[in-house]
Amino acid sequence: GNSVTQMEGPVTLSEEAFLTINCTYTATGYPSLFWYVQYPGEGLQLLLKATKADDKGSNKGFEATYRKETTSFHLEKGSVQVSDSAVYFCALSPAPMEYGNKLVFGAGTILRVKS
Amino acid sequence: EAGVTQFPSHSVIEKGQTVTLRCDPISGHDNLYWYRRVMGKEIKFLLHFVKESKQDESGMPNNRFLAERTGGTYSTLKVQPAELEDSGVYFCASSLSDSSNSPLHFGNGTRLTVT
Repeated sequence: GNSVTQMEGPVTLSEEAFLTINCTYTATGYPSLFWYVQYPGEGLQLLLKATKADDKGSNKGFEATYRKETTSFHLEKGSVQVSDSAVYFCALSPAPMEYGNKLVFGAGTILRVKS
Repeated sequence: EAGVTQFPSHSVIEKGQTVTLRCDPISGHDNLYWYRRVMGKEIKFLLHFVKESKQDESGMPNNRFLAERTGGTYSTLKVQPAELEDSGVYFCASSLSDSSNSPLHFGNGTRLTVT
């Protein structure tokens, strides 16, 4: 079946540190991949996505590259800010593209950034 | 535009009682989804409405859960009778279409605690 595995948190970093949150997936076919972020007291927001192998999604300084050979979609940011403190969810949308919003999520990774 | 709103934000009930959660999607969004996150684990798909019709209810855990979307506008999710394992955060999301190119907009969630 389809599944997403994320690194366990919490991840605690100092401001301006480099961030990596690992995400690997299991899926048949060619899924689309997503990162969602949940800030305190808010709902999930789409952070970035990639729809095919070698695509790079990017937004707000965050990046993730769809790696089919390693079935990974790791989230990176070069310099985190306190405002990036949130829960980050990796997710996939199983193929086909025509029915794309039944997402499979990982367990989420808490990020805490200290000033 | 108003986002997806969910009510209540928190609910604490005793085992055996009934609870009804409500979701108001973004106006004009035909597609409405319910997801659930239990005990800090993965967010899991429950069901999907297209207008007033259930497109996919494969994620509904058992027949204690009943979802409706009369008139194709707001949706309710009733749990009757509630059990301890139903505790978690229930998210509602809506989108214009069910393609993964149509972003999901999430509500802030309802935190349900069954004691």
